[in-house]
Amino acid sequence: DVKVTQSSRYLVKRTGEKVFLECVQDMDHENMFWYRQDPGLGLRLIYFSYDVKMKEKGDIPEGYSVSREKKERFSLILESASTNQTSMYLCASSLIRTGPQPQHFGDGTRLSIL
Amino acid sequence: AQSVTQLGSHVSVSEGALVLLRCNYSSSVPPYLFWYVQYPNQGLQLLLKYTTGATLVKGINGFEAEFKKSETSFHLTKPSAHMSDAAEYFCAVSETDKLIFGTGTRLQVFP
Repeated sequence: DVKVTQSSRYLVKRTGEKVFLECVQDMDHENMFWYRQDPGLGLRLIYFSYDVKMKEKGDIPEGYSVSREKKERFSLILESASTNQTSMYLCASSLIRTGPQPQHFGDGTRLSIL
Repeated sequence: AQSVTQLGSHVSVSEGALVLLRCNYSSSVPPYLFWYVQYPNQGLQLLLKYTTGATLVKGINGFEAEFKKSETSFHLTKPSAHMSDAAEYFCAVSETDKLIFGTGTRLQVFP
């Protein structure tokens, strides 16, 4: 069965800390995505990657970076956490095929920055 | 640019009643459309998708959606709501390999 695993369900960090959110998929998918979800705003794309060591900015990349050293792993990095980055973070993956493919999601990481 | 509008951030129905969740899209190319469901404290799960072909798409858990090009709509329906349908529902349109999501509709089901 399809599986996208996010390393933490809940995380509490302090302002200014460097924060790592990890995501692993076991489906050999080429595409991987990081979103943040906030009430009333839906899902907003932070970064995505279509291959190892490749990354593309999404709609709200400011304050974030990503790393994809292996095909199955996509990490989101908050370089210096701020309180406005308190949110639910969702990772997803999909295949590259002719025509858009559905994305498969992890269970999310609820991050609180104090 | 493509976009999605979900009308109604909250919808309440009685158990056994019809569920109708509205989604309108904007796209300059033939769209691929998706509905996802999110149960509390979980990620998103695919309900159904429209790519090409038949405009009435059946999904999991008794849900279906109809693609209407003339109305640029892709509304989600279920004939009879169940308590377990209470969740948040997201409509999305594809943009190459990326998805553009609506802001979501929270469905409440009352006994």
